Amino acid sequence: AAGVIQSPRHLIKEKRETATLKCYPIPRHDTVYWYQQGPGQDPQFLISFYEKMQSDKGSIPDRFSAQQFSDYHSELNMSSLELGDSALYFCASRIRGGMNTEAFFGQGTRLTVV
Amino acid sequence: AQSVAQPEDQVNVAEGNPLTVKCTYSVSGNPYLFWYVQYPNRGLQFLLKYITGDNLVKGSYGFEAEFNKSQTSFHLKKPSALVSDSALYFCAVRSPLGGGNKLTFGTGTQLKVEL
Repeated sequence: AAGVIQSPRHLIKEKRETATLKCYPIPRHDTVYWYQQGPGQDPQFLISFYEKMQSDKGSIPDRFSAQQFSDYHSELNMSSLELGDSALYFCASRIRGGMNTEAFFGQGTRLTVV
Repeated sequence: AQSVAQPEDQVNVAEGNPLTVKCTYSVSGNPYLFWYVQYPNRGLQFLLKYITGDNLVKGSYGFEAEFNKSQTSFHLKKPSALVSDSALYFCAVRSPLGGGNKLTFGTGTQLKVEL
């Protein structure tokens, strides 16, 4: 079965650089979530989209932005990177049809800022 | 606001013994509860969920969880642990009231199953 695809899997950037993370949801899933997981931490919600519109916003820094495109894939853009942005970034998708549907997570993008 | 507590950072159990990973939650309204498992450098894999109905929910890999409304708990259980169950387990909650659409995770419990 198709899963959530994230690219790249690993990314190394220098401080103050920019990064773009991509997420391709499971076909027919209309909702995408982004989470950040620091070392030894639980996943922290960043932002979500439903039908290409932002649906909820969490602890996403102003330096970050995201959008969902017409084909439902999503991109997380990160600028002025800081050492503290080093983390595992997960994308998840689900069918929003009901609150009872579970979210499926991608393998994550490991971002290292040096 | 919705929140999840996993009181144990680590649980150790011998292979073949039953295991329990604890989770308590706080939400407005009826909770939708989930368990996910994470292996090293991997994504979160869905194990099971409680939405409504029977308090005992069965999921993947022989895991089950018991919803207890009075104790606001959703403990993960397995009758007989395997070494391959060793991983990081996250409890999560979603509420239709005030929590938006997002999952809120607990801090995770590292399960170690030893021979």
